[in-house]
Amino acid sequence: QKEVEQDPGPLSVPEGAIVSLNCTYSNSAFQYFMWYRQYSRKGPELLMYTYSSGNKEDGRFTAQVDKSSKYISLFIRDSQPSDSATYLCAMSVVRLQGAQKLVFGQGTRLTINP
Amino acid sequence: DVKVTQSSRYLVKRTGEKVFLECVQDMDHENMFWYRQDPGLGLRLIYFSYDVKMKEKGDIPEGYSVSREKKERFSLILESASTNQTSMYLCASSLIDNQPQHFGDGTRLSIL
Repeated sequence: QKEVEQDPGPLSVPEGAIVSLNCTYSNSAFQYFMWYRQYSRKGPELLMYTYSSGNKEDGRFTAQVDKSSKYISLFIRDSQPSDSATYLCAMSVVRLQGAQKLVFGQGTRLTINP
Repeated sequence: DVKVTQSSRYLVKRTGEKVFLECVQDMDHENMFWYRQDPGLGLRLIYFSYDVKMKEKGDIPEGYSVSREKKERFSLILESASTNQTSMYLCASSLIDNQPQHFGDGTRLSIL
């Protein structure tokens, strides 16, 4: 079983819809949770970065972390065709020293149809 | 804004060649990383560095080595390229421990 599970999709929704993207994980020591957006032929771009549980909002994007269920979500409101991309979740444990090692989900391919 | 620059977007090499992939960051970040990204397998960590001349193996280091002689530059070396190393290679950097990683746009490497 993978440490981080993410449905690869593809997911296709109409413009203006609310999109929900999710990841589940098995390692209860994960404390940092991230969402990256990756356009075709580009590198991943950091969208959201959260520590521990709770919600974080940035414009049309909301990230939620439920540590009791080992489940994280990214919501996109008023989705736009420009949101069409692959969305990657990533997470890590707290390290007292040394660099943070991320564990990634497989990525969900999202298409927003005009 | 953080800028992570990978020297080549596309590269074609032959089996057995020694291949160098270069990455430069301009934000004085302590940590640098090399990943490869393959369909169905996601991003996998090859090597990372937390200081100049310091390196640590990731999940798939076999067939690769790295060099970090200066803080801003991190090189990935394929000692003897093989066809199974055809992939998208992504470099990332982070300021200090437990800070988010920022990625470059990748090098798509084909080994013929």
